[in-house]
Amino acid sequence: TQLLEQSPQFLSIQEGENLTVYCNSSSVFSSLQWYRQEPGEGPVLLVTVVTGGEVKKLKRLTFQFGDARKDSSLHITAAQPGDTGLYLCAANDYKLSFGAGTTVTVRA
Amino acid sequence: NAGVTQTPKFRVLKTGQSMTLLCAQDMNHEYMYWYRQDPGMGLRLIHYSVGEGTTAKGEVPDGYNVSRLKKQNFLLGLESAAPSQTSVYFCASRTGVGYEQYFGPGTRLTVT
Repeated sequence: TQLLEQSPQFLSIQEGENLTVYCNSSSVFSSLQWYRQEPGEGPVLLVTVVTGGEVKKLKRLTFQFGDARKDSSLHITAAQPGDTGLYLCAANDYKLSFGAGTTVTVRA
Repeated sequence: NAGVTQTPKFRVLKTGQSMTLLCAQDMNHEYMYWYRQDPGMGLRLIHYSVGEGTTAKGEVPDGYNVSRLKKQNFLLGLESAAPSQTSVYFCASRTGVGYEQYFGPGTRLTVT
């Protein structure tokens, strides 16, 4: 099982600000996923990154996979209250290993 | 399509009682999973199944049993509930190709 560390654990920002959350491991990932979970619901997949150095954009969200495939980041530009939620990274195998998550709160 | 559904949504048990959580998916997915989610610990895998009739242990299997008699259903059983099993339980499924997992809405279980 790969140990995934996410930082920071909590992040509270004002609407319109930018934020970055991180996911790190001592192991190399074959691929990695980012999920967002809203209160009272299950996680929903945002993106899967596969290639070292890969950058994917999803509207105001930018996902980067480290060159060595041991780390990943999620950057949100001009955050909105609708971005509030728990962001989870997960490393892929035939099963997923999840990080503990970053709770993001965007204040209006 | 309903996706992944879980029954019940909430449950309160007394220590020592038993119960079964039901997960159903209508996407014809091969793989199904049971996770528990606790504050500050993310999602931890309890048991999983790679196909009808097969099950395997995950990261935290003790105190739980599972069955996958039909492809669309994955049952999680607690034979003798303990307060340490108070948690939110999520079921997920995916196809045999690709890694995206589809999650149910969760079951909040409290053991007193």
